[in-house]
Amino acid sequence: SAVISQKPSRDICQRGTSLTIQCQVDSQVTMMFWYRQQPGQSLTLIATANQGSEATYESGFVIDKFPISRPNLTFSTLTVSNMSPEDSSIYLCSVEWVINYGYTFGSGTRLTVV
Amino acid sequence: GNSVTQMEGPVTLSEEAFLTINCTYTATGYPSLFWYVQYPGEGLQLLLKATKADDKGSNKGFEATYRKETTSFHLEKGSVQVSDSAVYFCALSDRWGDSGGGADGLTFGKGTHLIIQP
Repeated sequence: SAVISQKPSRDICQRGTSLTIQCQVDSQVTMMFWYRQQPGQSLTLIATANQGSEATYESGFVIDKFPISRPNLTFSTLTVSNMSPEDSSIYLCSVEWVINYGYTFGSGTRLTVV
Repeated sequence: GNSVTQMEGPVTLSEEAFLTINCTYTATGYPSLFWYVQYPGEGLQLLLKATKADDKGSNKGFEATYRKETTSFHLEKGSVQVSDSAVYFCALSDRWGDSGGGADGLTFGKGTHLIIQP
């Protein structure tokens, strides 16, 4: 399966600022996904990012707050904009691995907003 | 929409005990089912999966059988070890189920924190 490098691994940010999280995959993949894992909670899909098209956002998530880029088949970024303490979560990148009918996850970015 | 319900923890067992973590799902079609594990301080790893009814996924001594009639995918292990202590997530995807071509991404349960005591 694909190997995903995600960075930063963690960050502490001031409210009102923005953070961009990077996700690099070691092979070309069609579909990439961004999830949020709030403290003590499960994972919630934020959006699906396909190369060459606009990201598709799930209910409750909007592009102004979580803009996503997907410039090629191995890279994507998620920006958390105008942060508040409620945005403190782990953000995870994931890719679809069609051959094995599964999904691989990055190690996550632990974000704390103060 | 799709949903996954799994028993909430923490679940505390002694080493070598038998483990069952229940998972049931609601889906419009026949999804693929997964168990992911998150060890302390680590990322999410695929533990096992099943893509159609009656399939049994297995890995590292863990097993789960896709039961369409009861819409369940319970995780079992015959003898747990301290190293199995982690959070376990049940999840589903419409992407490769029998009906195919469904929504993208995974729907997760809330996770079950498993603690194994020596």
